[in-house]
Amino acid sequence: GAGVSQTPSNKVTEKGKYVELRCDPISGHTALYWYRQSLGQGPEFLIYFQGTGAADDSGLPNDRFFAVRPEGSVSTLKIQRTERGDSAVYLCASSLGLTDTQYFGPGTRLTVL
Amino acid sequence: AQSVSQHNHHVILSEAASLELGCNYSYGGTVNLFWYVQYPGQHLQLLLKYFSGDPLVKGIKGFEAEFIKSKFSFNLRKPSVQWSDTAEYFCASREGGSYIPTFGRGTSLIVHP
Repeated sequence: GAGVSQTPSNKVTEKGKYVELRCDPISGHTALYWYRQSLGQGPEFLIYFQGTGAADDSGLPNDRFFAVRPEGSVSTLKIQRTERGDSAVYLCASSLGLTDTQYFGPGTRLTVL
Repeated sequence: AQSVSQHNHHVILSEAASLELGCNYSYGGTVNLFWYVQYPGQHLQLLLKYFSGDPLVKGIKGFEAEFIKSKFSFNLRKPSVQWSDTAEYFCASREGGSYIPTFGRGTSLIVHP
């Protein structure tokens, strides 16, 4: 079956611009996670959803970052006033429940010039 | 905040050599432990996990890991590596009762045929 998909695969933007990154989880998975992976580092937790609600957003670095999952399926990570330090691969993962195996998407590579 | 250390950042082996990748975590309480693998051009995927019970965990593709509580370690092993094991390997931990994993920075493994 279809895995987790993320769009776009690559996004180049200019400093100060707004970007949206989309994640389509595996159908039926209630838990959805966002991570950020910088070069040479492991994934760093940003936020997770259980259903439609953001259960824990403690990993979001500041208030420029926001994520939604309005219908409990697709999620969008939104970054306002992008900075060069936001450049990274943004990973999405979904799982049946919060204790189940996470399935990762291919990531979106964000480059802020 | 908990941390995960992977001391070997780059490992180069010949086929049929034995592999051991180190992983140390910092949390002293109940912990869930994971090894993930990312093959070139592919998504991050779960290799094996430890929640409780037998401290020797067997995963896919002949990999195993041993949880040693006294050493805060969860090293990954494989008795005989293959060229197809070339990948990036990530160790992760999660405090019992939490749903947020902490990843190590990863180990790049190159296996020469």
